[in-house]
Amino acid sequence: AQKVTQAQTEISVVEKEDVTLDCVYETRDTTYYLFWYKQPPSGELVFLIRRNSFDEQNEISGRYSWNFQKSTSSFNFTITASQVVDSAVYFCALNLNRDDKIIFGKGTRLHILP
Amino acid sequence: KAGVTQTPRYLIKTRGQQVTLSCSPISGHRSVSWYQQTPGQGLQFLFEYFSETQRNKGNFPGRFSGRQFSNSRSEMNVSTLELGDSALYLCASRRADRDVFGYTFGSGTRLTVV
Repeated sequence: AQKVTQAQTEISVVEKEDVTLDCVYETRDTTYYLFWYKQPPSGELVFLIRRNSFDEQNEISGRYSWNFQKSTSSFNFTITASQVVDSAVYFCALNLNRDDKIIFGKGTRLHILP
Repeated sequence: KAGVTQTPRYLIKTRGQQVTLSCSPISGHRSVSWYQQTPGQGLQFLFEYFSETQRNKGNFPGRFSGRQFSNSRSEMNVSTLELGDSALYLCASRRADRDVFGYTFGSGTRLTVV
């Protein structure tokens, strides 16, 4: 069965601190895609990154970085020098190449305190 | 370009009634998916439509149905509403099936059943 686990339900950090959101996934498929989405209070899911199962390169985009490790089935997300605008719920998600649906984790609510 | 538009944004219905939610995809997108988001269950896949055909369906009762029109707009219907149907319903569109790059989500319709 496919599953995405975000063990951290809620995290609070002070502005400018670094924070890492953990994501562990389960699948026996060899071809799959991993995503991170941000959900601000307005409700829409904002796409942050997509990574396919054959690309284990870490990625950095501004203050955001992602660490994909197939050996531990993890796809962690780090925000460097956090800002209040980063406050949101963050979802890690899995999509199998043979399927259309996205399997979401339960999300991590991130509070950045001024 | 215009994003995914969901109407209405908020809806209050009485138990036992039925409701229809609408989703207009990004122009040129032919695939529309629906997700239900609740505090307890998180984000769960409802169904996906491509070229007016339902391609995939999640584990929801038959009270949940949908359809897609020739212009790719989609509606989902919930009959005999229950209190547990209160949720944020999110729609996502993409250009074509298997287009894992292209999921774009709308802001959702927040349904409250009283």
